Amino acid sequence: SQQGEEDPQALSIQEGENATMNCSYKTSINNLQWYRQNSGRGLVHLILIRSNEREKHSGRLRVTLDTSKKSSSLLITASRAADTASYFCATDANNAGNMLTFGGGTRLMVKP
Amino acid sequence: DVKVTQSSRYLVKRTGEKVFLECVQDMDHENMFWYRQDPGLGLRLIYFSYDVKMKEKGDIPEGYSVSREKKERFSLILESASTNQTSMYLCASSNRGEQYFGPGTRLTVT
Repeated sequence: SQQGEEDPQALSIQEGENATMNCSYKTSINNLQWYRQNSGRGLVHLILIRSNEREKHSGRLRVTLDTSKKSSSLLITASRAADTASYFCATDANNAGNMLTFGGGTRLMVKP
Repeated sequence: DVKVTQSSRYLVKRTGEKVFLECVQDMDHENMFWYRQDPGLGLRLIYFSYDVKMKEKGDIPEGYSVSREKKERFSLILESASTNQTSMYLCASSNRGEQYFGPGTRLTVT
């Protein structure tokens, strides 16, 4: 079953603008992760935020987590054409074996 | 760097054929996973394994089986391929936290 739901499903912006993607989930989690996928390729891990953290930064990425609302956001600042990809959130509900549940993804297009 | 490799990038098989998809990781990870990815449905977990010879069903195990005889290798088997198994198949491995993905196998069943 799909736990995370990304919003919007697709986003088109100009280079230099910021891109914000949101993720909502249904059950309590141990951590939430964001992944990036270039067209036709495997996923690449971007950032992990634990349930007791509210905000995390990595380079141009900023992730927030609101466990009371069961939601997270990924902000990419000063976007580049190379950021064009699909972005997925994934929740770890503390199941055995580090099982993740992925959302449907946001397709981001950054126009040069 | 962690490396996860999959045996084929593209595969075309006929209905009813037995299909093997192989995945190998080189970081001594305990956990390995098989997902399928379809447009509009995101990634769905087929099976995962948290140790050699151990396997657990994911969300959509029907029509699939797996084998993990060695820690570094996790195989996905389609016993009798059907057209509704045409999809992108992604393998991943992890110890804790993030998962590391292979490049994917795009399987077409005709």
